[in-house]
Amino acid sequence: DTGVSQNPRHKITKRGQNVTFRCDPISEHNRLYWYRQTLGQGPEFLTYFQNEAQLEKSRLLSDRFSAERPKGSFSTLEIQRTEQGDSAMYLCASSSDREPYNEQFFGPGTRLTVL
Amino acid sequence: DQQVKQNSPSLSVQEGRISILNCDYTNSMFDYFLWYKKYPAEGPTFLISISSIKDKNEDGRFTVFLNKSAKHLSLHIVPSQPGDSAVYFCAATQDGQNFVFGPGTRLSVLP
Repeated sequence: DTGVSQNPRHKITKRGQNVTFRCDPISEHNRLYWYRQTLGQGPEFLTYFQNEAQLEKSRLLSDRFSAERPKGSFSTLEIQRTEQGDSAMYLCASSSDREPYNEQFFGPGTRLTVL
Repeated sequence: DQQVKQNSPSLSVQEGRISILNCDYTNSMFDYFLWYKKYPAEGPTFLISISSIKDKNEDGRFTVFLNKSAKHLSLHIVPSQPGDSAVYFCAATQDGQNFVFGPGTRLSVLP
């Protein structure tokens, strides 16, 4: 297994367009997380899946954001009607629910630039 | 309101000396704490963690200390190496689902 992968690595879009990012977690991991990171800040939690169920969403996640994890495998994060404030690095992480259950493995991220 | 704080944006240390990175938290419900290291153009990499039932955890050159009464933890790296130069994030969780990260401290280890 090569770890967590994210595609695309970079995305430039115009304000108002929709974008979709993909995350492929480590295959045996049943937990998947999405984070957003802006310059000078740590990752901010967006949402969390246990298998295919989305169990928690941050208040940061507006109605324009939606995430799915069909069949508990890969996940997609869609942002509709993008705004300049959405420009950030979007990180995906996965983990197992076995001990040490809290260790998350991060992907390299997708950098979104909204013009 | 930042629940996890890293008040030093940057730290420079001479190679071979000890690096001490600090982290403070406000939520007394946090029961698990982690340190991540991040190189440019990569995602964060897990380094070491500690449960709230312990006050120290050691892994090679890395030791994490937890002071629950002060709501403070620290990461000690000894001896520091140039390859340790990176941004270090402190993170905390109370349920294993929602992880709160600090803003990070950029460590520079000078040869």
